[in-house]
Amino acid sequence: DVKVTQSSRYLVKRTGEKVFLECVQDMDHENMFWYRQDPGLGLRLIYFSYDVKMKEKGDIPEGYSVSREKKERFSLILESASTNQTSMYLCASNGQGLLAKNIQYFGAGTRLSVL
Amino acid sequence: AQSVTQPDIHITVSEGASLELRCNYSYGATPYLFWYVQSPGQGLQLLLKYFSGDTLVQGIKGFEAEFKRSQSSFNLRKPSVHWSDAAEYFCAVGARGYQKVTFGIGTKLQVIP
Repeated sequence: DVKVTQSSRYLVKRTGEKVFLECVQDMDHENMFWYRQDPGLGLRLIYFSYDVKMKEKGDIPEGYSVSREKKERFSLILESASTNQTSMYLCASNGQGLLAKNIQYFGAGTRLSVL
Repeated sequence: AQSVTQPDIHITVSEGASLELRCNYSYGATPYLFWYVQSPGQGLQLLLKYFSGDTLVQGIKGFEAEFKRSQSSFNLRKPSVHWSDAAEYFCAVGARGYQKVTFGIGTKLQVIP
């Protein structure tokens, strides 16, 4: 079974703090994704990475950055957390190639509260 | 660009009743279509998928979905709902050769005894 692990289920941070959300997958997947989930808005893509050190902006990248130094790990960084970044953050991964067919595997999510 | 519409934000059904969750997509070519389920406080789990071929696809937990190209729809169905099916359901569309997937806003299912 594919396993995508997010390091924290719940986080509480203060406004202005630098926040790191970590995600690790064990299936040697090339692609990894960070989404933000808010009620009534569904899942919105923040960033995705298609290879080590490669990244592409999603629909809502403002206020976020990412890091992918190793294939299995994809980090989401909030440089200076703000209250409007309080949300559920979901990490996902999938493989490339025709057999992968866009099937994404998700972690359990990190619920971040910024006070 | 691809898009997904889930017109029902919230649905309530009685346990044992049938269920249909609606999904409409927009994409120029043949899409890859997915339904995911999210239990409270959890990540998303794949219920079923459509890539090509038979337009009626079976998934886990007794769910099925039918791809109707003429209606650009991929509705999810279950003949008899169980209390454990209470969750949020997301329809998603992808495409061959395109790594990203677009998700709908989700339909929250409540099951009453």
